[in-house]
Amino acid sequence: DAKTTQPPSMDCAEGRAANLPCNHSTISGNEYVYWYRQIHSQGPQYIIHGLKNNETNEMASLIITEDRKSSTLILPHATLRDTAVYYCIVSYTTNAGKSTFGDGTTLTVKP
Amino acid sequence: GAVVSQHPSRVICKSGTSVKIECRSLDFQATTMFWYRQFPKQSLMLMATSNEGSKATYEQGVEKDKFLINHASLTLSTLTVTSAHPEDSSFYICSARYLQGNQPQHFGDGTRLSIL
Repeated sequence: DAKTTQPPSMDCAEGRAANLPCNHSTISGNEYVYWYRQIHSQGPQYIIHGLKNNETNEMASLIITEDRKSSTLILPHATLRDTAVYYCIVSYTTNAGKSTFGDGTTLTVKP
Repeated sequence: GAVVSQHPSRVICKSGTSVKIECRSLDFQATTMFWYRQFPKQSLMLMATSNEGSKATYEQGVEKDKFLINHASLTLSTLTVTSAHPEDSSFYICSARYLQGNQPQHFGDGTRLSIL
C-alpha cells in the first residue's frame, strides 16, 4: 500500500471549515483514499473514501487532485466534537486491502 | 451504518494468563478482519489480517504463537494473547470489512489490556 504524509497537527475555529491535507504521491491506479478519525481511547471511525472523483457525505467532503497524488478532507462546519486524530490511508480493495496507518493529523477545534 | 462490536472493552489480569478478545460484525458479513495494537500516543499498528476459514496472515515481527487469531465465521474473529506479560499491555482494536467493491473498514471500540 502507498504511504501517506499528513501534517502532525492543525487548529481550527469552531464553526469554520477544517481542511486537512494528505499527500500520497506513490498511489497506484486502483488504490482508494480512505479517511478515518480517532477520538481519544476509541476505535477509529470511518469518514469517507474515494478513487478519483470528489465525494461528499453527511460528515465531510473529499477532494482528490486530478493526478491523485494528494487529497483534502473538508469538515464544513467544525465543532468541538470534531477534535480527533485524522488518518488518511490509501488501500487496495483486493488482496485483503489492509490499511497501514501513518501518524495522522491531530485536529483541535477551538471555541 | 456498519457496526463492529468488540468485547471486552477492558481487562486486567495477572502475568502468565491468556486473554481472549472477541470481534463481531453485527450487521454485515466480514470476509476479512484486521487486528491492530496501539500504544499510548502512537498510531495503530497492524498485527494480522484474518480471512474467514483460513489462517491469519501476520505482519513482520508479530509472534503468531503469542497472538492466536481465529476467524471461524463471517461475523466473528478472536484474538487470544497467550501467556500475557506486562509488555503486552496495550490497546487492541479490531476492524472488519466486506471485501467487495471498495468497502471501508469498520472498527470496534477497542480493548484496553493491562497485565499486572
